[in-house]
Amino acid sequence: AQSVTQLDSQVPVFEEAPVELRCNYSSSVSVYLFWYVQYPNQGLQLLLKYLSGSTLVKGINGFEAEFNKSQTSFHLRKPSVHISDTAEYFCAVSVAGTALIFGKGTTLSVSS
Amino acid sequence: DVKVTQSSRYLVKRTGEKVFLECVQDMDHENMFWYRQDPGLGLRLIYFSYDVKMKEKGDIPEGYSVSREKKERFSLILESASTNQTSMYLCASRGWDRGTDETQYFGPGTRLLVL
Repeated sequence: AQSVTQLDSQVPVFEEAPVELRCNYSSSVSVYLFWYVQYPNQGLQLLLKYLSGSTLVKGINGFEAEFNKSQTSFHLRKPSVHISDTAEYFCAVSVAGTALIFGKGTTLSVSS
Repeated sequence: DVKVTQSSRYLVKRTGEKVFLECVQDMDHENMFWYRQDPGLGLRLIYFSYDVKMKEKGDIPEGYSVSREKKERFSLILESASTNQTSMYLCASRGWDRGTDETQYFGPGTRLLVL
C-alpha cells in the first residue's frame, strides 16, 4: 500500500521569501505524484504532477517540484511567494488506475 | 475545461436523516470518487466508481453508500446521518489529459453539518 507524509502541518513565511513544502511517500511500486492547492472554501486545484520523464516538474503560479526516487520525496518549491499563495497544499500519490492517496496537508501562511 | 459540480455548497441536516450528495461531471470520465476532508486528516477516500453501476469501497465506507446509474453522475448517500459525518465532502472525476494522465479533477465541495 502507498502512503504520503507531509512533514510540516504549517509553514509561515514572509512575502517574497522562498518556500519549500516537503512531501515523502512510501510505495513498493512506481507511482504518480501530484500537488494540489486549496484556497479557502474552494475545491482542490491541480498545481503540478509527475507521471514520468524529467524529475523537475513546473506547475502553475510559479511553483515547481522535484521527484527524488532514492529519497522517495516530491518537495514543492517557489522562489518568491505572494500573499495570494496563502492556502492549504496537498501532496498525493497514485498507482496507475487507483484513486489518489493524500497527505494531511500543509497550510502555507504568507504575511507582509 | 473539465467541470465537476456538486449539488450544494452547504447543507444542514438532522441526525437520522437520509442525505443525498450529488456530483456531476461534464467530460465523459469513467472514474469518479468521493472523499471527505477533515482538519488535520487530509482527504480520505469513501467510495469510487470505475464505470456506470460499478463501485468500490475506499478507506472509510462505513455509514455511506453510493449510486452511479449514469456516467456523468455519482451520488453519495448517508443512510442515517450522524454527527460524526459532519465534514467537507469532495467529489472528483478522472479522465485523460492528452492520453497520458491520472489527474483527478475536483468539485467545489459540500460542507455538511449534522445536528
